[in-house]
Amino acid sequence: KNQVEQSPQSLIILEGKNCTLQCNYTVSPFSNLRWYKQDTGRGPVSLTIMTFSENTKSNGRYTATLDADTKQSSLHITASQLSDSASYICVVSFDYNNNDMRFGAGTRLTVKP
Amino acid sequence: EADIYQTPRYLVIGTGKKITLECSQTMGHDKMYWYQQDPGMELHLIHYSYGVNSTEKGDLSSESTVSRIRTEHFPLTLESARPSHTSQYLCASSEGGTGELFFGEGSRLTVL
Repeated sequence: KNQVEQSPQSLIILEGKNCTLQCNYTVSPFSNLRWYKQDTGRGPVSLTIMTFSENTKSNGRYTATLDADTKQSSLHITASQLSDSASYICVVSFDYNNNDMRFGAGTRLTVKP
Repeated sequence: EADIYQTPRYLVIGTGKKITLECSQTMGHDKMYWYQQDPGMELHLIHYSYGVNSTEKGDLSSESTVSRIRTEHFPLTLESARPSHTSQYLCASSEGGTGELFFGEGSRLTVL
């Protein structure tokens, strides 16, 4: 069964600091990997999407990396802001029609002043 | 900004009641989904649809049912709610190319 594991489960950092969140997945084939941001009580919002041929994708202060050989992805947040406090969810699609998508449990990030 | 809407946002009901969670999108997406999410846990797919008159069950067994009579509308119904149905229900739609998911704000259901 495909699995998507995220670490750490939760993270607390000070405003202005950088942080990196991890996502490891098992099984193949692999089509694409996305990172979503979910504010408390809201629906997830897309941050980045990468296909198997892409190594990095940026969206403002968010930079996602992908190593398809080791089946690892990371999301790096630069110069964190209070509004970055949220859950960050990794989603892996295992088929090219995006019919089989698996979600990680997310990393809960808290940014403190 | 995604044009996908869920109502109600919050609902508290008693056991045995019938409820319908509404989901509408104005993006013309063929694919729509319902996910269930408990606090700190991953999203689990409970229903999906590839277009009008198409509905399928997802990975997580659910006592709910869905319908897709119109492209933009994908309601979820619980005939007899139980406390075990207490959860957050997220509706999503996706475009054909990248498969990017657009989520609604969610419906938080509490069954007493």
